[in-house]
Amino acid sequence: KAGVTQTPRYLIKTRGQQVTLSCSPISGHRSVSWYQQTPGQGLQFLFEYFSETQRNKGNFPGRFSGRQFSNSRSEMNVSTLELGDSALYLCASSQTGNDGYTFGSGTRLTVV
Amino acid sequence: ILNVEQSPQSLHVQEGDSTNFTCSFPSSNFYALHWYRWETAKSPEALFVMTLNGDEKKKGRISATLNTKEGYSYLYIKGSQPEDSATYLCAFLNSGNTPLVFGKGTRLSVIA
Repeated sequence: KAGVTQTPRYLIKTRGQQVTLSCSPISGHRSVSWYQQTPGQGLQFLFEYFSETQRNKGNFPGRFSGRQFSNSRSEMNVSTLELGDSALYLCASSQTGNDGYTFGSGTRLTVV
Repeated sequence: ILNVEQSPQSLHVQEGDSTNFTCSFPSSNFYALHWYRWETAKSPEALFVMTLNGDEKKKGRISATLNTKEGYSYLYIKGSQPEDSATYLCAFLNSGNTPLVFGKGTRLSVIA
């Protein structure tokens, strides 16, 4: 069965630009969560979506936003990029959000 | 803010050694404790989802125990092999409407 697909894998953007990352969950999984990982930090929670509704939001500025579509695919958007937004962005899907997560390969974003 | 602590931060062991590491989490409002293995250049992979106090789970040479009353879980690896080298993450889910919170991980290096 297909895993969690994240696109693109790598991205280079300049400060001030905006970026959209995509995540396609495993078929049948309704929960999609997004995490940011930077060197020396653990996985920092960004958002969780379930059935097109944002169920939880992490402690990130309003420049970070997301959404989920009716087919459970999710996107996250970062506007007005800053150098500190350079990170690996991981999405994970699960059936309910309370069971084991399956992670995608991540999108590595570099802001220059 | 929920705090999940993992120790040690990193560990080097010889091939064939057995090892263990710790995950501490809030003991109140417990719902589930997850363990993941994250190998370099790959995605985090779920090892165990544990929900009951006293739970013990096993997958090959890797096992985990759970104490929800005192808020800790141990992960054990018996007879470590070089392919066990990875970062091991634990994550806590409470019974409120909160997301899965990850610790910073224990980085294991197994030397042949």
